[in-house]
Amino acid sequence: QQPVQSPQAVILREGEDAVINCSSSKALYSVHWYRQKHGEAPVFLMILLKGGEQKGHEKISASFNEKKQQSSLYLTASQLSYSGTYFCGTEIGIYGQNFVFGPGTRLSVLP
Amino acid sequence: DAGVIQSPRHEVTEMGQEVTLRCKPISGHDYLFWYRQTMMRGLELLIYFNNNVPIDDSGMPEDRFSAKMPNASFSTLKIQPSEPRDSAVYFCASSLDFLNYGYTFGSGTRLTVV
Repeated sequence: QQPVQSPQAVILREGEDAVINCSSSKALYSVHWYRQKHGEAPVFLMILLKGGEQKGHEKISASFNEKKQQSSLYLTASQLSYSGTYFCGTEIGIYGQNFVFGPGTRLSVLP
Repeated sequence: DAGVIQSPRHEVTEMGQEVTLRCKPISGHDYLFWYRQTMMRGLELLIYFNNNVPIDDSGMPEDRFSAKMPNASFSTLKIQPSEPRDSAVYFCASSLDFLNYGYTFGSGTRLTVV
């Protein structure tokens, strides 16, 4: 079952922060985050596993709340290069049989 | 490392024609995935292989679609006959262990069926 992402779109000024949420109706084993720029392929950002710690990647970090069955991606002091569509992907099993991408959140960072 | 290599980058074909998309995964990656992306349906998994063996093809839309992985360095996705509703971007991705490392996507093939 496809996870829900919110917001669907967000517009920021350079230097502002943003949070993108990904939630599931089922208990999750792992959550992936990807960014896709227009006309390009999705690029892997990070993966969070059940029982794991919050991850960080430069000024982009993510958390995984197993109890709420959701993950949040945090973009701090956004840069123009952060613009793109962010996808979460969720997996409910340990064997990867049910991995599915969310619909995406379009992020636009303006100067 | 050259990454995941897909060909062609663009394909325009007439309805009814056969289309073959090609993918070379990253060496050493045991998993290979074929995804389709459209505005309406987003990223959809079509099929994935583990060690050249098809594991889950439940996402393949119809019998018109078929995929093969004859060896660890090559896979094809074939559509025969093609229809306008097949128009999409088709991505190939590979992974060492996708439960822990995520996917590396190829640049994609933009297919237009007229």
